[in-house]
Amino acid sequence: QKEVEQDPGPLSVPEGAIVSLNCTYSNSAFQYFMWYRQYSRKGPELLMYTYSSGNKEDGRFTAQVDKSSKYISLFIRDSQPSDSATYLCAMTPNNAGNMLTFGGGTRLMVKP
Amino acid sequence: GAVVSQHPSRVICKSGTSVKIECRSLDFQATTMFWYRQFPKQSLMLMATSNEGSKATYEQGVEKDKFLINHASLTLSTLTVTSAHPEDSSFYICSANERGGEKLFFGSGTQLSVL
Repeated sequence: QKEVEQDPGPLSVPEGAIVSLNCTYSNSAFQYFMWYRQYSRKGPELLMYTYSSGNKEDGRFTAQVDKSSKYISLFIRDSQPSDSATYLCAMTPNNAGNMLTFGGGTRLMVKP
Repeated sequence: GAVVSQHPSRVICKSGTSVKIECRSLDFQATTMFWYRQFPKQSLMLMATSNEGSKATYEQGVEKDKFLINHASLTLSTLTVTSAHPEDSSFYICSANERGGEKLFFGSGTQLSVL
């Protein structure tokens, strides 16, 4: 069993839809949670960062962390074709970058 | 967010040659940088942690003599793939965290194709 599980997709939605992306994890020590967006043949771009449980909103993006269920989510409202990319969740127990564990990524396609 | 620059974005080379990839932190100092490898439709695999002024720390299974890492300054780390072979063809990405924090900022990646 992988430490971080993420549905690979692809997830196809129409423009304007609400998108829900999720990750589950097994290591209860994870404290910092991140979502990255990666376009094809580009480096990942940090979208959202959350410490411990709770919600965080930034524009059309909302990140949720439920540590009791070991489950994190990223919601995208009013999805746009430009949101089409692979979304990677990542988490770490401390602030050491070398302990960052990534999910496998979910490929999202937003159709106009 | 912080900016990490990576060059070249794409390189094609013949088998047996060496290829150098540069990673620069443009607006911050990075005592630590990280090198990843990514195969198509797969997630990032950490190869090594590059420490300024000291030897890199390699993950299990990564050949240190194959993938030479140099971190000579607080803003530059290089990865040299020595005697490259077709199986080394992959997407290589570097990253750095500002002030050693948990947020990683990534370079744009280098697609290496070894013929």
